[in-house]
Amino acid sequence: DTAVSQTPKYLVTQMGNDKSIKCEQNLGHDTMYWYKQDSKKFLKIMFSYNNKELIINETVPNRFSPKSPDKAHLNLHINSLELGDSAVYFCASSQASGGTDTQYFGPGTRLTVL
Amino acid sequence: AQKVTQAQTEISVVEKEDVTLDCVYETRDTTYYLFWYKQPPSGELVFLIRRNSFDEQNEISGRYSWNFQKSTSSFNFTITASQVVDSAVYFCALSEVHRGNTPLVFGKGTRLSVIA
Repeated sequence: DTAVSQTPKYLVTQMGNDKSIKCEQNLGHDTMYWYKQDSKKFLKIMFSYNNKELIINETVPNRFSPKSPDKAHLNLHINSLELGDSAVYFCASSQASGGTDTQYFGPGTRLTVL
Repeated sequence: AQKVTQAQTEISVVEKEDVTLDCVYETRDTTYYLFWYKQPPSGELVFLIRRNSFDEQNEISGRYSWNFQKSTSSFNFTITASQVVDSAVYFCALSEVHRGNTPLVFGKGTRLSVIA
């Protein structure tokens, strides 16, 4: 039973395209996150949702738009993809949003923009 | 501002050696949590441990142990009798509590290679 799942695992696309990454968690958690891991392995928060409500929005271009249809899902849509968007994107979830709970991560989506 | 420093970029050891991964953190908060995650070559992020700022007891789990020292703002991770399967990138992370909705702040990771 996969706790946090992401699709697709790999995504290769051309510059200028629009793409989406889906994330689902079956842990019953209230909070979900998107992190970006760059080519040097640095992990940085992008967004956080608590019970479908956006609570963290770091300095991310407007081309990135998260959507949470329910608290078990947090999707990431990216418009007008650029070369610099190439990275591994991780979804995570935790029981609460206050920084006390462990975040569990999905397997990651490797996005390559050509 | 919160910050996590993992000064060791890469470490290479021979199997069965002990190895310690350093983690130094900065925070103005008195209540915070520290974490270690493992990222093996397959790419997923695996949770290893969570420790709150009020619990300075060292923890041991099999070959893994953690040394938390508030006096030096460090949360170091030791692998005893390392094995090839321990080869991975290890991340230390911090979350503050008083500000509410705070994300994890990660260090840059330490790549551990265990050679047979």
